[in-house]
Amino acid sequence: DIQMTQSPSSLSASVGDRVTITCRSSQSISSYLNWYKQKPGKAPQLLIYAASSLQIGVPSRFSGSGSGTDFTLTISTLQPEDFATYYCQQSFIHGTFGPGTRVEI
Amino acid sequence: QVQLQESGPGLVKPSQTLSLICTVSGGSISGGSYWWSWIRQTAERGLEWIGRIDDSGSTNYNPSLESRVTLSVDTSRDQLSLRLNSVTAADTAVYYCAREVFVMLRGVVVSSFDNWGQGTLVTVSS
Repeated sequence: DIQMTQSPSSLSASVGDRVTITCRSSQSISSYLNWYKQKPGKAPQLLIYAASSLQIGVPSRFSGSGSGTDFTLTISTLQPEDFATYYCQQSFIHGTFGPGTRVEI
Repeated sequence: QVQLQESGPGLVKPSQTLSLICTVSGGSISGGSYWWSWIRQTAERGLEWIGRIDDSGSTNYNPSLESRVTLSVDTSRDQLSLRLNSVTAADTAVYYCAREVFVMLRGVVVSSFDNWGQGTLVTVSS
């Protein structure tokens, strides 16, 4: 099984901050890595696929990078609607999600 | 805009079978390069992929659940179904159905869950 880890598990930030979240896989997954955002009581929403491709309709302040085992999600200028939990997911073998990173005020 | 909607009992007794339906509207289950997954979420275990099915009925399952899970598809009704037998309290979760889309990118086919249902809470309790 491929295990996914994320750091930090939570972070405090302010509107306008630059935020970086890290995801690591237990084995190389090339660029088979997706990022999702989830608000309380809602389903996850796809932000980034294939490590660095922005999903249609997602603001350009979101970006992703990395390959192999180490990946990063960056929010360049945090907006009020970005306070949420973010998950990475590997699609190399089926789908395993990371434990999530909560971005809070 | 494709929409997915889960439905089914919100309460299931231990040892019984959990059954859910996912209805796809605004589009069809058939004809596209999609697979359809079930994913569940708990506070303790986070998001857990259960399995997926395509419009021909081909399936893949999470090895940890494979012995208890059955997925099926009814293309005439644009519905997916999930059956999970011998449930315990550990199966209490919000259950989502999601569409898995495949894209050719830099010579490689990659996939992601681009469309999700709103989720339905299923509690296992006597």
